[in-house]
Amino acid sequence: NFMLTQPHSVSESPGKTVTISCTRSSGSIGSNYVQWFQQRPGSVPTSVIYNDNQRPSGVPDRFSGSLDTSSNSASLTISGLKTEDEADYYCQSYDSSNRWVFGGGTKLTVL
Amino acid sequence: QVQLQESGPGLVKPSQTLSLTCTVSGGSVSRGDYHWSWIRQSPGKGLEWIGYIYYSGSTYYNPSLRSRLSISQDTSKNQFSLKLSSVTAADTAVYYCARCWSSPCVWGKGTTVTVSS
Repeated sequence: NFMLTQPHSVSESPGKTVTISCTRSSGSIGSNYVQWFQQRPGSVPTSVIYNDNQRPSGVPDRFSGSLDTSSNSASLTISGLKTEDEADYYCQSYDSSNRWVFGGGTKLTVL
Repeated sequence: QVQLQESGPGLVKPSQTLSLTCTVSGGSVSRGDYHWSWIRQSPGKGLEWIGYIYYSGSTYYNPSLRSRLSISQDTSKNQFSLKLSSVTAADTAVYYCARCWSSPCVWGKGTTVTVSS
């Protein structure tokens, strides 16, 4: 099976843009959908991106998802950072048998 | 709007079986192209996929838990359930149920399960 590798932590200032990567260890990143979850401290995870780049209703358009086949990775980009974006972010995809694979999570600090 | 609610014992003794139920409202576990899923999060750790049951009743399990795991559905009660046998302290976690697949995941609020004697 494959792994999804995320940076352990990232930090950026309010108003700036940050990108969180999610690199697939084997197989093509484009072969199965990627989801991104946000988990604020003490809260339930919520979807911020599904099906690679689709934004659920209610999620601001500051959040966007993309794939980069050259690096075999997915990315979550958050522009116009706000302090409320401070959270853990997890990528998730599927293997060839439709079993889930989670990335290890990235702690975003907005300072 | 679909809602999910986990229920079950908050404390389980080592070597026993952990049993949780997810009650679904505003949607049917036997209709639609969804993964009715279980996910857990150990204290201070990341998310771990446990498994899911498809609306048709087919099940998909995390290979690392497969030998101890059973997920089933009760369509008459619109519920799906998790049984994890031979638990140890490593199974202490917040357990979430969720509805996912080709749409934003809808999560339950989670339930904390502690494995301790």
